Amino acid sequence: ETGVTQTPRHLVMGMTNKKSLKCEQHLGHNAMYWYKQSAKKPLELMFVYNFKEQTENNSVPSRFSPECPNSSHLFLHLHTLQPEDSALYLCASSQDSRASTDTQYFGPGTRLTVL
Amino acid sequence: AQSVTQLGSHVSVSEGALVLLRCNYSSSVPPYLFWYVQYPNQGLQLLLKYTTGATLVKGINGFEAEFKKSETSFHLTKPSAHMSDAAEYFCAVTRGTGNQFYFGTGTSLTVIP
Repeated sequence: ETGVTQTPRHLVMGMTNKKSLKCEQHLGHNAMYWYKQSAKKPLELMFVYNFKEQTENNSVPSRFSPECPNSSHLFLHLHTLQPEDSALYLCASSQDSRASTDTQYFGPGTRLTVL
Repeated sequence: AQSVTQLGSHVSVSEGALVLLRCNYSSSVPPYLFWYVQYPNQGLQLLLKYTTGATLVKGINGFEAEFKKSETSFHLTKPSAHMSDAAEYFCAVTRGTGNQFYFGTGTSLTVIP
């Protein structure tokens, strides 16, 4: 595997379910990100981890819970979601989240539908 | 504060014609600017970026962009469109410290045979 991978690619869940999204990067990076992509809106940064430490939480509701056990893996735990949470969730990685010039490398995303 | 404006949410060009996708930014500090492309059912892929140095930046797939500080612009161009260029294009800026990206709303490019 190369680059940034995400599983599952598609997920349908009810509002009472608990599920997790997984992201893995094979680039040797130290920073990982979660974004939400909704139609007609700019990508919304949700969380940032740098060297396994969370450095950004952009006022994300607590029904989204991130976890970064090591620099290569990032999870997004989901519980009691709302229909408006349906979106494409993108994971990205970069060398260091403090470096403004670093390229972020994106995974293919998980298409989430909340019923 | 940072913001990015992409004029035109949809652009259509004929195959072989010039592609011009517009991006303007507002920034209180010198920005670092990026263009990403997203093909259907895929993540974002870097086309090119401007950090310092030459203001005309060449990227992959024949694309290039010019940083114009006086116009606060970073428009993306390609001399001759191919069918394979049909995708969503995003302009993004980072602030002077940190790697937090501020994305525009995207421009969907359609290439007409």
